[in-house]
Amino acid sequence: DARVTQTPRDKVTEMGQEVTMRCQPILGHNTVFWYRQTMKQGLELLAYFRNRAPLDDSGMPKDRFSAEMPDATLATLKIQPSEPRDSAVYFCASSSGQGATYNEQFFGPGTRLTVL
Amino acid sequence: AQKVTQAQTEISVVEKEDVTLDCVYETRDTTYYLFWYKQPPSGELVFLIRRNSFDEQNEISGRYSWNFQKSTSSFNFTITASQVVDSAVYFCALSEPYNTDKLIFGTGTRLQVFP
Repeated sequence: DARVTQTPRDKVTEMGQEVTMRCQPILGHNTVFWYRQTMKQGLELLAYFRNRAPLDDSGMPKDRFSAEMPDATLATLKIQPSEPRDSAVYFCASSSGQGATYNEQFFGPGTRLTVL
Repeated sequence: AQKVTQAQTEISVVEKEDVTLDCVYETRDTTYYLFWYKQPPSGELVFLIRRNSFDEQNEISGRYSWNFQKSTSSFNFTITASQVVDSAVYFCALSEPYNTDKLIFGTGTRLQVFP
């Protein structure tokens, strides 16, 4: 049963600390998405990659957030320094899409981040 | 600008009742996709359905059905004979034209089904 995995599932940290969230997409999927979910803003697309190359990161605050795909099996989202307003659930999703035709996005279980 | 509105924040029903979740969207494009996702208490979003803008046929899948009406820019979701396991947050989403990667989500409707 192929699934997107995310670690850690929960993270509590103090303001100013660096936070790294990891995602393992489904094997064979070439597109990886990072979303953030908050009560106030709902679900927002932060960034996404295709074949490890960033396609769009317009939803991501550039000053403190960075997203990378070191290899096809790992995507990372880093926040440095973290702030209380970054508290949210961060979802990773993957698909085998090419953009022009839709391929289902499979979501991971999320990382619940709390910044004190 | 594209927008998805789910006006119902929370709905509570008793098991076996039918329930309809509303979704209204805004787009200037003629080509787009609409989606529904379910987020159960476990947290993962689960894809339910995709509909492209040229296909206005209603769809039924078991107890689930979807009513797409371009004239009113609505894509409503009905659960027939609801069950406790249907309790979840349901999101409607709209894709950008020619780039179905980027989904714009509504704020979600929390459905609680009581036994």
